[in-house]
Amino acid sequence: QQQVKQSPQSLIVQKGGISIINCAYENTAFDYFPWYQQFPGKGPALLIAIRPDVSEKKEGRFTISFNKSAKQFSLHIMDSQPGDSATYFCAATSYNNNDMRFGAGTRLTVKP
Amino acid sequence: DGGITQSPKYLFRKEGQNVTLSCEQNLNHDAMYWYRQDPGQGLRLIYYSQIVNDFQKGDIAEGYSVSREKKESFPLTVTSAQKNPTAFYLCASSIAWTVNQPQHFGDGTRLSIL
Repeated sequence: QQQVKQSPQSLIVQKGGISIINCAYENTAFDYFPWYQQFPGKGPALLIAIRPDVSEKKEGRFTISFNKSAKQFSLHIMDSQPGDSATYFCAATSYNNNDMRFGAGTRLTVKP
Repeated sequence: DGGITQSPKYLFRKEGQNVTLSCEQNLNHDAMYWYRQDPGQGLRLIYYSQIVNDFQKGDIAEGYSVSREKKESFPLTVTSAQKNPTAFYLCASSIAWTVNQPQHFGDGTRLSIL
């Protein structure tokens, strides 16, 4: 059962542009939403995370926007760089159960 | 440097053979996890362990087995019962199961069939 739906599957952006990846979840018990970045042949690395008590969190060029009523959250990468080319996964989990559910991933390509 | 070490990086399995993937962490984390990654499917949980000498099945445990005899080690055995073992296997750990903390991942083992 896919509890976290991620889109798009792939994304191509020009250098300096904004990359936007969207996720939607079903389980209202989820209360922690991390994003992971994965380079080929490597494990995912935590990029940024948000809890539902805030609507937005920014770290450098990376911003998570969170809409609790719509059960949606998104990752925005400002001023996208070729070095950002990677696969991005959204995830969700609940406080009482660290059974993390992952989206299917978005392969981002930033063209120079 | 603290982290998670998975070995080997590449592994080949013959028909009817069991193979074991190693996962070691020096983060002093209580919880450890095994995921399988297939193209376009994200990460699926195979097994997890909340504490030493305890482990639970995840969503796709059939054909796999684990042990947790030491806090820092969580090996995964892919048995001959797993008919489609070709995948990228990821080990992760977190501070504890019941504390909402991020999971930290190793760099994976890619398993292929000979």
